[in-house]
Amino acid sequence: AQSVAQPEDQVNVAEGNPLTVKCTYSVSGNPYLFWYVQYPNRGLQFLLKYITGDNLVKGSYGFEAEFNKSQTSFHLKKPSALVSDSALYFCAVRPSYSGAGSYQLTFGKGTKLSVIP
Amino acid sequence: EAGVTQSPTHLIKTRGQQATLRCSPISGHTSVYWYQQALGLGLQFLLWYDEGEERNRGNFPPRFSGRQFPNYSSELNVNALELEDSALYLCASSLGLGGDQPQHFGDGTRLSIL
Repeated sequence: AQSVAQPEDQVNVAEGNPLTVKCTYSVSGNPYLFWYVQYPNRGLQFLLKYITGDNLVKGSYGFEAEFNKSQTSFHLKKPSALVSDSALYFCAVRPSYSGAGSYQLTFGKGTKLSVIP
Repeated sequence: EAGVTQSPTHLIKTRGQQATLRCSPISGHTSVYWYQQALGLGLQFLLWYDEGEERNRGNFPPRFSGRQFPNYSSELNVNALELEDSALYLCASSLGLGGDQPQHFGDGTRLSIL
């Protein structure tokens, strides 16, 4: 069974500083990895995905994520945080093979990001 | 392009009642997923429909059920409501069975059980 760990419930960063939200995963075979953001009283918004190829993936709103196969990690990063980035961030994984259960996304428990002015 | 739409936005019920939640996917998307987001529990997978068939279900009791209509919209039914069913219910859609396709979410239905 696949799983996702987001080791930090909350991350605080000053506006203008770089931010990192951590994610590690466990899955059979190669992973498909996703990051989502959730603002209060809203659904999840897709930020970026890793399918294959370049380990550094660029996404929406200046976010990027680095895939590290040896460390089974997919950390979300942004060079300069904005107050408007404050939200709940979810990492998700599914296996790349086809078959029963392979299309089901497994989410981490989320990390609350607070960007302090 | 219209996103995933869910209705109603809020739903208030009492214990033992039945609730019906509705979801319209993005045009062209054939897969619909349902999740429960309860406070402190993250997203729990409920159900997945594709092309009108239930493809997978999460670890929820049978009183959670649903269906997908020929136009790919979906409804989630929760019978014999319990207090712990209070949560945000999120619907997502994606392009068919393409595993590399992201799921796109609606803003959810907030179900409150009194």
